[in-house]
Amino acid sequence: ETGVTQTPRHLVMGMTNKKSLKCEQHLGHNAMYWYKQSAKKPLELMFVYNFKEQTENNSVPSRFSPECPNSSHLFLHLHTLQPEDSALYLCASSQGSLSPREQYFGPGTRLTVT
Amino acid sequence: GENVEQHPSTLSVQEGDSAVIKCTYSDSASNYFPWYKQELGKGPQLIIDIRSNVGEKKDQRIAVTLNKTAKHFSLHITETQPEDSAVYFCAAMDSSYKLIFGSGTRLLVRP
Repeated sequence: ETGVTQTPRHLVMGMTNKKSLKCEQHLGHNAMYWYKQSAKKPLELMFVYNFKEQTENNSVPSRFSPECPNSSHLFLHLHTLQPEDSALYLCASSQGSLSPREQYFGPGTRLTVT
Repeated sequence: GENVEQHPSTLSVQEGDSAVIKCTYSDSASNYFPWYKQELGKGPQLIIDIRSNVGEKKDQRIAVTLNKTAKHFSLHITETQPEDSAVYFCAAMDSSYKLIFGSGTRLLVRP
């Protein structure tokens, strides 16, 4: 275990649904990340939060809405998704996002949009 | 921006042999290079990393080398075991501290 947990592990949702992914880190880190991992594509950074403040939005469509209420929790709210949004969504954390620090990943949420 | 190329995409070795995975990067300002191992159904696990002020780092059967001049770095696994079978990703941290990942190498260690 890396100290980063994600729920749910699997999610199937229709294009009109609204759902949320949750991430929690138990490492005392202050930076958290959302990544998207699609088949045959490199991991793509979506959002970065540093001390609860969003410091990076990597041109992600507005149907993905992140929320970081504190340094230990990160959410990704999903609405009106498209089938091409089906992927593994990974959360990571590190001790700060503004220096070369190790990032630790959770197990991911496998999302299927029908 | 930073671009990371990783080769090969698949690698099959006999148990006990060595495996080498290579990555190149484009941004000379990149200064942190981690390697991750991802097993089926799990998230990427950091296995080793190297910073630009060193040329080589070793941890038991795993080693990473960095050539800043040529902008490439490699992962070396010696005495491979079946449990080393996984997908391995290299990454480079760009000048804005974002990790840019390679496309992954699927390593199969044949018993």
